[in-house]
Amino acid sequence: AQSVTQLGSHVSVSEGALVLLRCNYSSSVPPYLFWYVQYPNQGLQLLLKYTSAATLVKGINGFEAEFKKSETSFHLTKPSAHMSDAAEYFCAVTKTSYDKVIFGPGTSLSVIP
Amino acid sequence: DAGITQSPRYKITETGRQVTLMCHQTWSHSYMFWYRQDLGHGLRLIYYSAAADITDKGEVPDGYVVSRSKTENFPLTLESATRSQTSVYFCASSNSRVGTEAFFGQGTRLTVV
Repeated sequence: AQSVTQLGSHVSVSEGALVLLRCNYSSSVPPYLFWYVQYPNQGLQLLLKYTSAATLVKGINGFEAEFKKSETSFHLTKPSAHMSDAAEYFCAVTKTSYDKVIFGPGTSLSVIP
Repeated sequence: DAGITQSPRYKITETGRQVTLMCHQTWSHSYMFWYRQDLGHGLRLIYYSAAADITDKGEVPDGYVVSRSKTENFPLTLESATRSQTSVYFCASSNSRVGTEAFFGQGTRLTVV
């Protein structure tokens, strides 16, 4: 069965500092991987997705993620945090055979002025 | 308006009552999903549907019923609401191409008293 783990339920960074949110997955087949962001009182928005075209994926708002098969990881990074990045971030995975999306537990990002 | 809409946005109901949460999408996406979001659990899949008249259980289906008579609608019914069903419910949809992302509604905050 697929699963997703996100190390750290809460991460705090200073404004301008590097953002690193960790995601590890388990899947019996090469997966499709996603990062979603949820701002307060809103639904989830797609940040970026990995679909095997390239291991380094660039998304919106300056975020990117690197797929590392050997580490079964898909960590999300941003070089310089903005106050507007404060939100909940979810890593998600689907199998290739159907589109049921499995989400990780989420990481809450706080940005300190 | 194009997109995916959920109604109501907020609902308070009493224990034992039946309540239905509505979800409507305008993209003609094949797949639709219902998730619940609870602190410490992230998003958990309740039910999903691959097409009209095709539904299947997710991770936490007990106490819920779904139907999909039309492609664009996917209502979720709590047959006899319990306090443990107090949560934020998200509907999502995606098209039939493997690896495509899910698009989320704004959520329904349900409180069972």
